[in-house]
Amino acid sequence: KAGVTQTPRYLIKTRGQQVTLSCSPISGHRSVSWYQQTPGQGLQFLFEYFSETQRNKGNFPGRFSGRQFSNSRSEMNVSTLELGDSALYLCASSVGGLGQSPWEQYFGPGTRLTVT
Amino acid sequence: TQLLEQSPQFLSIQEGENLTVYCNSSSVFSSLQWYRQEPGEGPVLLVTVVTGGEVKKLKRLTFQFGDARKDSSLHITAAQPGDTGLYLCAGDNDSWGKFQFGAGTQVVVTP
Repeated sequence: KAGVTQTPRYLIKTRGQQVTLSCSPISGHRSVSWYQQTPGQGLQFLFEYFSETQRNKGNFPGRFSGRQFSNSRSEMNVSTLELGDSALYLCASSVGGLGQSPWEQYFGPGTRLTVT
Repeated sequence: TQLLEQSPQFLSIQEGENLTVYCNSSSVFSSLQWYRQEPGEGPVLLVTVVTGGEVKKLKRLTFQFGDARKDSSLHITAAQPGDTGLYLCAGDNDSWGKFQFGAGTQVVVTP
C-alpha cells in the first residue's frame, strides 16, 4: 500500500506571495492533519480534515487554510507569506479522526517551504 | 507551553550503550504514540500505547506507559548508529481536542 505523498517536496517563495501544498493520504484513510515543524517550536498542529470537513483547528492565523476533497486528498494554502512561515509542513493521515482512539497517524515526507 | 514535556532534549551516546527518554504530562492521555524522525523526512510511527502500565517491545526498544496514563518512557538497549534521530511522543486527550506533540529528544549514537 502506498504511503502518504506530499507535493512539492521543496518550495521557495517570497514574502507576500501565497502557496498551496498538496497531500494524498494512504488509501482508505479519511482523516488528514497538517502540521508545521520548525526548530524553535517543534511540531505544531494546524488543522484536521475528516470527510471533507474541518474537524479541528490549531492556533494559527487565518492566512493558513485548507480543504479536503471527496477522494480524501487535501490541500493547504498559506496567503501573504511571511519570513516566519519558513518551515517543514507535514501532513498525516489516519483511518478515522479524533474520537476514534487510538489515533495512529502516518506522516508524509513533508514540504520544505522557504520564504525569502 | 508544551502540554507534553520530553526529556532530555538532547542525548549523545556511544554505540552499545543504553538510553531512556521520557514523556510527561499533567493530563491523562487517551493514547500515546512514539515516533522517530530523521532529517528531511516525516516522523515514522514506532508504537501506540493505550492501557495504563502497558509495556511494549520492538526489538531493542521498550516502551512503557505509566499506570496513570500521564507519562511514558522509551528505552533503547545496546544503541546502534541507526537509532540516531529525533524521538517524538504524541498524545490525544478529550479535553485538548487535538493531537499534541512533545518537542522531541534528539538522539545521536556514534560508532
